[in-house]
Amino acid sequence: EAGVAQSPRYKIIEKRQSVAFWCNPISGHATLYWYQQILGQGPKLLIQFQNNGVVDDSQLPKDRFSAERLKGVDSTLKIQPAKLEDSAVYLCASSPSGGQGAHEQYFGPGTRLTVT
Amino acid sequence: EDQVTQSPEALRLQEGESSSLNCSYTVSGLRGLFWYRQDPGKGPEFLFTLYSAGEEKEKERLKATLTKKESFLHITAPKPEDSATYLCAVQARSNYQLIWGAGTKLIIKP
Repeated sequence: EAGVAQSPRYKIIEKRQSVAFWCNPISGHATLYWYQQILGQGPKLLIQFQNNGVVDDSQLPKDRFSAERLKGVDSTLKIQPAKLEDSAVYLCASSPSGGQGAHEQYFGPGTRLTVT
Repeated sequence: EDQVTQSPEALRLQEGESSSLNCSYTVSGLRGLFWYRQDPGKGPEFLFTLYSAGEEKEKERLKATLTKKESFLHITAPKPEDSATYLCAVQARSNYQLIWGAGTKLIIKP
C-alpha cells in the first residue's frame, strides 16, 4: 500500500513570497490533516478535512494560509505572503476515518520550508 | 486545559540498556493515546494506540502501557536503530484533534 505522498521535500523562499505544498493521502482515507512542526516540538494541527469539507481550521492563520481539498482526494496548502516564522516542516497525514473512534494517522515525509 | 508532557527531553543509553519514556497527560475524557516514532527528516511513524487504563501493547523491543494519568514506553535491550524521537499524543472525547507532546529524543550508543 502506497503511503502519504508530499511534494516538494524542500523549499527555500524569501519573506513575502508565496509557496504551495501538495499532498496525496493513502487511497481510501477520508480524513486529511496538515500540520506544522517546528524543530524540537510536536506537530501543530493547521487544518483537518473530512472528504472535501473542513472539520477544523481553528489554528490556521487565515490571513496568510489557505488550503483546499478538491474532489476529496489530494490537497494543497498555500502560504502567501510568507514570514520568517513560517520556517518549519509541513506534514500531511491521513486516516481512514476522522469521526467517532480514535484512529491513527499516517504521515508523509514532510516539506521542509526555509524562509529567508 | 488538555495537555501532554513528555520526559525526559533526551535520553542516552548504551546498547542493551533498558529504560522507559514517560508521557503524562491531562484530558477531559480520553478517547485514545498514541505513540509515534520520528526519524530525522521523516514524518512520524505510528507505533501504538492505547484506549483505556491497564492496556498494554508490544512491538519488538517496545512495550506501551497506560494508566489514568500517564503512559510509559518501555524499551528492552535497545539497539542503535531504535534511536529516534518518540512522540506521544492524546485525543479527547470532546475534540477529535490530537494534542501532542514535544517528544523524547532517544540515542542508543553501540
